[in-house]
Amino acid sequence: DAKTTQPNSMESNEEEPVHLPCNHSTISGTDYIHWYRQLPSQGPEYVIHGLTSNVNNRMASLAIAEDRKSSTLILHRATLRDAAVYYCIQVKAAGNKLTFGGGTRVLVKP
Amino acid sequence: DGGITQSPKYLFRKEGQNVTLSCEQNLNHDAMYWYRQDPGQGLRLIYYSQIVNDFQKGDIAEGYSVSREKKESFPLTVTSAQKNPTAFYLCASLGQGHTEAFFGQGTRLTVV
Repeated sequence: DAKTTQPNSMESNEEEPVHLPCNHSTISGTDYIHWYRQLPSQGPEYVIHGLTSNVNNRMASLAIAEDRKSSTLILHRATLRDAAVYYCIQVKAAGNKLTFGGGTRVLVKP
Repeated sequence: DGGITQSPKYLFRKEGQNVTLSCEQNLNHDAMYWYRQDPGQGLRLIYYSQIVNDFQKGDIAEGYSVSREKKESFPLTVTSAQKNPTAFYLCASLGQGHTEAFFGQGTRLTVV
């Protein structure tokens, strides 16, 4: 199974950057790295995804290690609305099983 | 607007009854998924389907059943064989070409 490893929780102050690490040591060459976040009592929402190059969008940036065995989601200026559980998953080119780990609970302090 | 819809949002059933949770998508996605989430925990995969008339067991399929007769629909039945059915259930879909997965807003099932 495609399994990722993330810290259980992280804290940040409002307006400061947050760096969320993810290890995906079993990743294969065609697997994408996806990040989702989940607010309480809601379904997860898409944040960002990438294959090899670093990616930026309006929500976050994704930095992917050169060997692709790890990645970091960067929230540039955390707001209280960014408090959520963030999941990193491997998405295969075929046979997508979409297995989630426990995610990282991000706490943002005002 | 395209999206994925789960219904109902809250569902109550008596112990021993089967119950079916609805999941519909109009995104033209081939792959659909069902997850179970317990309080404070991550998502655990129950069943998934990559194409119409085909589905595979996930990590916790015992006590659940699914069907995929139409591309748009992937209903989940929680049977009386499921020992602890009270949970938050999430449905998702994924398209081709490595686009993002879309999730429904979930159904909170309480069995009393």
